[in-house]
Amino acid sequence: QQQVKQSPQSLIVQKGGISIINCAYENTAFDYFPWYQQFPGKGPALLIAIRPDVSEKKEGRFTISFNKSAKQFSLHIMDSQPGDSATYFCAASMRRTGGGADGLTFGKGTHLIIQP
Amino acid sequence: DADVTQTPRNRITKTGKRIMLECSQTKGHDRMYWYRQDPGLGLRLIYYSFDVKDINKGEISDGYSVSRQAQAKFSLSLESAIPNQTALYFCATSDRTSGAYEQYFGPGTRLTVT
Repeated sequence: QQQVKQSPQSLIVQKGGISIINCAYENTAFDYFPWYQQFPGKGPALLIAIRPDVSEKKEGRFTISFNKSAKQFSLHIMDSQPGDSATYFCAASMRRTGGGADGLTFGKGTHLIIQP
Repeated sequence: DADVTQTPRNRITKTGKRIMLECSQTKGHDRMYWYRQDPGLGLRLIYYSFDVKDINKGEISDGYSVSRQAQAKFSLSLESAIPNQTALYFCATSDRTSGAYEQYFGPGTRLTVT
């Protein structure tokens, strides 16, 4: 049973446009929601993350919107650039008894292409 | 990426062989993780370790074993490799003092089982 569902699977956006990737989760115990960016031949790199006590977090051109009641969160990339072309993964984790968090549960990824 | 290293970076092996993938980190983090990535499936957690005496199974641990030799080293073993274990394997670390939520990934090991 997939606990984090990500869409779309692939996305093409014109340079300067807004890229939007959506994720939905099922487990209400999740309390940390990061987005990772992966370039070919590289490991995933943490891009931005949010906790459920806020509805939005912005870092530069990247924004996470979080809707706790709907159990959904999304990544918005403003003024998308060709260098943003990569695979993006949403993920979630939950607090572990005794502190810290368990491993991440990932969505299946979105292959984003920004056309010049 | 340089803070988390994985060896080998690429490996081709035959069905039935035992193989070990190694991960080392200089970040000083106490927690380490192994994930596998398959096309179209995202990353899935195999094992994770909160210290040398605390090892936990993840979502897909069958067919794999791990060893935490030291705080900085975490190895993944395939006792008898099979073709459906062909995948990209990533090691990751996190730090308890930061709440242990942020995970930092290595560059990956591409494993092919023929």
